[in-house]
Amino acid sequence: DTGVSQDPRHKITKRGQNVTFRCDPISEHNRLYWYRQTLGQGPEFLTYFQNEAQLEKSRLLSDRFSAERPKGSFSTLEIQRTEQGDSAMYLCASSRINTGELFFGEGSRLTVL
Amino acid sequence: QKEVEQDPGPLSVPEGAIVSLNCTYSNSAFQYFMWYRQYSRKGPELLMYTYSSGNKEDGRFTAQVDKSSKYISLFIRDSQPSDSATYLCAFRGGFQGAQKLVFGQGTRLTINP
Repeated sequence: DTGVSQDPRHKITKRGQNVTFRCDPISEHNRLYWYRQTLGQGPEFLTYFQNEAQLEKSRLLSDRFSAERPKGSFSTLEIQRTEQGDSAMYLCASSRINTGELFFGEGSRLTVL
Repeated sequence: QKEVEQDPGPLSVPEGAIVSLNCTYSNSAFQYFMWYRQYSRKGPELLMYTYSSGNKEDGRFTAQVDKSSKYISLFIRDSQPSDSATYLCAFRGGFQGAQKLVFGQGTRLTINP
């Protein structure tokens, strides 16, 4: 069990640039989740996939955000035209189907200047 | 009213003390109850997972759920400096489609040697 892997761990970008984060879940896990966490707050749900299908998206996920999981394995989260308010930790988690036990990665920290 | 209320602290106790962390929730559909531990600049780590009222013990940790009062607690016995972290309560509904976790704000805990 190699755990959930996220890359990059930290990204600094200028406002208006696009950024992409990658998540590699635990290999036997069908479900993959993206959360966002700002300082002093708990993680907030963004979206989740079951295999390659994106089954739920939060209203937090504006049209500048897009997530994909093309082959049901790794996932990417892209943020277009970044804004300073996008600065946060982006957390990926995975789980087996029908379990609430989510296993989180170390997160990708985004700083928008 | 927020779905989940958790006192953000900070909470500071001496080594060896019993720590009590609490969350209240308003959504009666929550059926699964979890506690996560998060060290600074790391992803959340699952500590306890339960789906029924009552107590669940794992080593120095005890999770308590009172569905009638919509109240959950985490007790840490013989607290250690390594327990210093932010503790997040998390909830999930039991019905099909309610796959996302809803987190509390997190309580920042420091155990002083």
